[in-house]
Amino acid sequence: QKEVEQNSGPLSVPEGAIASLNCTYSDRGSQSFFWYRQYSGKSPELIMSIYSNGDKEDGRFTAQLNKASQYVSLLIRDSQPSDSATYLCAVNVGNYGQNFVFGPGTRLSVLP
Amino acid sequence: GAGVSQTPSNKVTEKGKYVELRCDPISGHTALYWYRQSLGQGPEFLIYFQGTGAADDSGLPNDRFFAVRPEGSVSTLKIQRTERGDSAVYLCASSLTGLAGGQETQYFGPGTRLLVL
Repeated sequence: QKEVEQNSGPLSVPEGAIASLNCTYSDRGSQSFFWYRQYSGKSPELIMSIYSNGDKEDGRFTAQLNKASQYVSLLIRDSQPSDSATYLCAVNVGNYGQNFVFGPGTRLSVLP
Repeated sequence: GAGVSQTPSNKVTEKGKYVELRCDPISGHTALYWYRQSLGQGPEFLIYFQGTGAADDSGLPNDRFFAVRPEGSVSTLKIQRTERGDSAVYLCASSLTGLAGGQETQYFGPGTRLLVL
């Protein structure tokens, strides 16, 4: 069974702080990793994708990937109350290339 | 269309009934995916279409679940003899080709909330 694990939270950070979200996965062959944000009652929307070891930055978001440790993280700098949502880690495990396994999500609360 | 659309947005049915859930992907997207999301969980993969054919249906939980995409655009997820455990949000997503080594973004629709009484 290919698994993706995340701390369910809630993770609470004050406004302006850095939020750090972590994800581990079991399938060593996975090559593509995605972070989705999901507001309550809404569908997931893509925040970041990462395919190579190291860091990838996009605005206030930085994704970090370490394939040897089977670990991917998302950092949110200068957190805003509007960042309060559930963050889903998704790992592509499909032989055909498009079979996503999602983690349970981490609920983030940014306190004003 | 501008985004992925799903109908109905909500569906309430009784145990044992048959339901159909519809997904209309982004225009021009070849790949279409169905997921199921229970409360407090991440989406669970059900099936992936490449054009008209099901490229990967390994996530369908049992033979009560079936999906079609006869013209390579709209897809219908069909659930026979519904059970209370089928209650969840059913999400549909689409991507441009479904290839590209798994590096394509999947765009999600708003979901259908299914409640089986």
